[in-house]
Amino acid sequence: EPEVTQTPSHQVTQMGQEVILRCVPISNHLYFYWYRQILGQKVEFLVSFYNNEISEKSEIFDDQFSVERPDGSNFTLKIRSTKLEDSAMYFCASSEFRSGANVLTFGAGSRLTVL
Amino acid sequence: SQQGEEDPQALSIQEGENATMNCSYKTSINNLQWYRQNSGRGLVHLILIRSNEREKHSGRLRVTLDTSKKSSSLLITASRAADTASYFCATDLDWFMEYGNKLVFGAGTILRVKS
Repeated sequence: EPEVTQTPSHQVTQMGQEVILRCVPISNHLYFYWYRQILGQKVEFLVSFYNNEISEKSEIFDDQFSVERPDGSNFTLKIRSTKLEDSAMYFCASSEFRSGANVLTFGAGSRLTVL
Repeated sequence: SQQGEEDPQALSIQEGENATMNCSYKTSINNLQWYRQNSGRGLVHLILIRSNEREKHSGRLRVTLDTSKKSSSLLITASRAADTASYFCATDLDWFMEYGNKLVFGAGTILRVKS
């Protein structure tokens, strides 16, 4: 069964450093997303991406964050100048709109620890 | 305030018992979905119910939707230890998939099934 793959599975970084989280969505999906989950808390929407541009972003997704689809397969989330509160699980998801509904397929997540 | 809120926050039952989780939301929806998350892993789609449906079944899962009360319930029958996970409802607010509809997740219910 097709899956969304994310790398790295865990990254530890120092506060102020830049981090890039990578995702390979399912190949025939057109819509891509990043969500994050702070330990034990709810899953929060960060950004959606379609047709090589951001389609929607949340208040969390400020200038510190950026997304890119540098080639036909990868979808990346860059966090500039990380803060302690950026420590969380970051999930990539992709979807195809089928039969009038949008079902997301999630990756296993990238755990980011900012020290 | 968040769109979807589940209750209870945590539920502990014996293997073989039924587990019921509830979700409330605030605005009109296109559909409501339930996802499962094993500890430290990504979310996996379980079932989707559209706004014009009242009940849906899939294996041991039964979902109901009451749009007048803006609530949904997920019933897992004959639970197994392997059902231990967090369960999230997610609402799709948009009717047209022009650029990638985000799903808004609730805080989740932690289900523990004891063997």
